Amino acid sequence: DSGVTQTPKHLITATGQRVTLRCSPRSGDLSVYWYQQSLDQGLQFLIHYYNGEERAKGNILERFSAQQFPDLHSELNLSSLELGDSALYFCASSAGQGTSQPQHFGDGTRLSIL
Amino acid sequence: DAKTTQPPSMDCAEGRAANLPCNHSTISGNEYVYWYRQIHSQGPQYIIHGLKNNETNEMASLIITEDRKSSTLILPHATLRDTAVYYCIVRVPFSGNTPLVFGKGTRLSVIA
Repeated sequence: DSGVTQTPKHLITATGQRVTLRCSPRSGDLSVYWYQQSLDQGLQFLIHYYNGEERAKGNILERFSAQQFPDLHSELNLSSLELGDSALYFCASSAGQGTSQPQHFGDGTRLSIL
Repeated sequence: DAKTTQPPSMDCAEGRAANLPCNHSTISGNEYVYWYRQIHSQGPQYIIHGLKNNETNEMASLIITEDRKSSTLILPHATLRDTAVYYCIVRVPFSGNTPLVFGKGTRLSVIA
């Protein structure tokens, strides 16, 4: 158990819909990272938050957004969903900046678009 | 793009040591080497990391060459549960904006 909790584990929805994925980081971790893993792209970095502030963006679509709340949990919002958004979405947390401590990953949310 | 090169696949007999190589010839002085593995579609699992000294923990050992251009992850007594994709990643940890960049990794198959 990594200590990172992601909900829901599975999500099935239709094209054009909007969903919210939730991540609770390990106790004490200030950084939250979101990654997407699809069959043909491998693990891709989406976005990073540190203590409530956005710190870096990767290959995140404009239809996607995220935020980190004062209690440090994070949500990834995906809107106008397309078939190609079907993927595993992972959240990872780490102690934060200025440390070599590793990122620890949750078990992911499997999103299926029908 | 990933800054490491790993063989796409390896086999290992159960109970034997699994030695997974990684080439990172362009590594810079402040970059650490991290190893993760992913079992089936579970979340990547952190294994070990190091800068220049060899490291050991309860899961594995990490051997980094003196010039730091390559490293080897050693699972001392591989079991069937160690079958997974293993990723070698180099990263500057002190920059909080730097995410993990995953390559294709090595698919390790442990055979009974």
